[in-house]
Amino acid sequence: DQQVKQNSPSLSVQEGRISILNCDYTNSMFDYFLWYKKYPAEGPTFLISISSIKDKNEDGRFTVFLNKSAKHLSLHIVPSQPGDSAVYFCAATGGNSGYALNFGKGTSLLVTP
Amino acid sequence: AAGVIQSPRHLIKEKRETATLKCYPIPRHDTVYWYQQGPGQDPQFLISFYEKMQSDKGSIPDRFSAQQFSDYHSELNMSSLELGDSALYFCASSSGERFGELFFGEGSRLTVL
Repeated sequence: DQQVKQNSPSLSVQEGRISILNCDYTNSMFDYFLWYKKYPAEGPTFLISISSIKDKNEDGRFTVFLNKSAKHLSLHIVPSQPGDSAVYFCAATGGNSGYALNFGKGTSLLVTP
Repeated sequence: AAGVIQSPRHLIKEKRETATLKCYPIPRHDTVYWYQQGPGQDPQFLISFYEKMQSDKGSIPDRFSAQQFSDYHSELNMSSLELGDSALYFCASSSGERFGELFFGEGSRLTVL
């Protein structure tokens, strides 16, 4: 069963605007959440993470928000740049999943000039 | 900086054949993970090793086995291949320095005909 869900397979945003990528999870034991970015023909690369004791983590243009009660997190990219065009995977870990990451199916972001 | 090296990058096999994928983690990383990503799917965790011992097990079929050697490289052995095994297989390594941050290789694409 899919414990991490990214319901938007794709998103198109204009350069300079904000990109918001959403992620929902079902396992209440998850306590650490991450976003990975993947370019074609490359492996995923770590972008940003957040622990369940926080509700926001910011790193430059990237901010992750966590709403534990809604089991929802989002990644905000502002301002969006064409180089941000990639597939973004939400991942979660914790509880009986050990240290293994549970990934969503990904959202393909296209930032247009 | 050295990254995770996977070989071969592409592999074509027939049904019921065997295949072996190799992974060379980043030096001084003590944990190796294997993930399988089918077309349009999320990366699925297969198995992981910490200091050459199996640490977590995910959805790895019984036909598959893996091990980590004394030089920390890891091999994923797949036998009695089925069409559904066609996927991108990612290896990742981590040092534990930042929880959940995995460094992925570029993946090995297996096609079963």
